[in-house]
Amino acid sequence: GQNIDQPTEMTATEGAIVQINCTYQTSGFNGLFWYQQHAGEAPTFLSYNVLDGLEEKGRFSSFLSRSKGYSYLLLKELQMKDSASYLCAVMEDYKLSFGAGTTVTVRA
Amino acid sequence: KAGVTQTPRYLIKTRGQQVTLSCSPISGHRSVSWYQQTPGQGLQFLFEYFSETQRNKGNFPGRFSGRQFSNSRSEMNVSTLELGDSALYLCASSKGRGDTEAFFGQGTRLTVV
Repeated sequence: GQNIDQPTEMTATEGAIVQINCTYQTSGFNGLFWYQQHAGEAPTFLSYNVLDGLEEKGRFSSFLSRSKGYSYLLLKELQMKDSASYLCAVMEDYKLSFGAGTTVTVRA
Repeated sequence: KAGVTQTPRYLIKTRGQQVTLSCSPISGHRSVSWYQQTPGQGLQFLFEYFSETQRNKGNFPGRFSGRQFSNSRSEMNVSTLELGDSALYLCASSKGRGDTEAFFGQGTRLTVV
C-alpha cells in the first residue's frame, strides 16, 4: 500500500509562490499526480510525473524524485482563485491513492 | 466533448437500503475508477474497471460492488447501507492504457439517514 503525506494547510499572499510537498512510500510506482479541488467540486487534473525532474505547465510546476519518494507542486503568481485543496496521488496497479490534501488559502 | 457524467447528483437513503450509482465515462475512455470521499478519510479508492474487467479493488467491505458494461458505462452498488456510507462518490475515466490523465465526474452525494 501507500503512505502519502502532505501538509494540511498553507496560506500565502496573492502574487506570491507556494510550494506544496508530498512524500510517499509505495511498493510499486506508476506515476504521481496532482489534482486541484475547489470546495463542493470534483478534482481537476493539474500534473503528472513519472520520471525524475520538473514538469512545468504555466503557473504550475511539479517535481519528482523517485529515489526520495518526494514530489512538490509549485504554484507561482498566486491568484485568489487558486484557493483550493491540492491533492497528491500515487498510481500503482491502476489504483490512485490520494493524500489527505493541502488546503491553500490565498490572501489579498 | 462531453465530460464524465454521474447520476444521480444527490441521493438520500435509509439505513439497510441499497443504492446504485451510475457513471458514464468520456467517449473513447475504457477505464472507470470509483472513489469515496469523506471529510475524515479523504479520497479512498474503491475499484477500477477496464473493458468490463475489474483490475484492482480497494479495502472496502463486500457490500460495495461494481460492474462495467460493454459501452464502458459503470455502476457501483452499495447494499445494506450504513450511516458511515454517507459520502461523495466520485468516478474517474481514462483511456486506461498507460495514459496520464484521469477525469473526474461531479460525483454523487449520498446521505444515509
